Amino acid sequence: GAVVSQHPSWVICKSGTSVKIECRSLDFQATTMFWYRQFPKQSLMLMATSNEGSKATYEQGVEKDKFLINHASLTLSTLTVTSAHPEDSSFYICSAHNRNTGELFFGEGSRLTVL
Amino acid sequence: GQNIDQPTEMTATEGAIVQINCTYQTSGFNGLFWYQQHAGEAPTFLSYNVLDGLEEKGRFSSFLSRSKGYSYLLLKELQMKDSASYLCAVRDRVDYKLSFGAGTTVTVRA
Repeated sequence: GAVVSQHPSWVICKSGTSVKIECRSLDFQATTMFWYRQFPKQSLMLMATSNEGSKATYEQGVEKDKFLINHASLTLSTLTVTSAHPEDSSFYICSAHNRNTGELFFGEGSRLTVL
Repeated sequence: GQNIDQPTEMTATEGAIVQINCTYQTSGFNGLFWYQQHAGEAPTFLSYNVLDGLEEKGRFSSFLSRSKGYSYLLLKELQMKDSASYLCAVRDRVDYKLSFGAGTTVTVRA
């Protein structure tokens, strides 16, 4: 079964609204989680690194005020897309790092469509 | 940072073997990952190599040579369901970030 759970799987929203996506590690504590975005037929693009108990680290070109990340516990990170616009429509995927084994697992992904 | 190269596409016949090569250049290596991704779905973890050598998991095996900056994923006894994109990713030693190659699309034909 999945070791990283992400939801919602699908979300459709109106332009200007905010959407929250949750990422949970199910079998292990994840001090670090990562958020990616993937456009059709392209590879994953890292958006930010989510650190438990501290501020997220954003990649160059990613607006931290638009993509709010909160990592309040060792098993949960959230990504909030604020004031969403159609160009934010994409496949958002989280991943969680198991420090005990070194493995890194992905959530199931969340497909966001902004109308 | 990392510079990761893998072939764009490969085609093989059902039951055959395919090897996907991945070369990388990195400033700080902390493991190499292979993922399988079907269209419209999130990547699925296949393997993780941090030491040199071969890791075998059923029909899939992954090899790593750190001195050569080289890895391969070996898919044996190909099945139609193996048609997917295969992503090679290298993790940075300092910040644990994963950098991905562009992916290799494998098409399995009957």
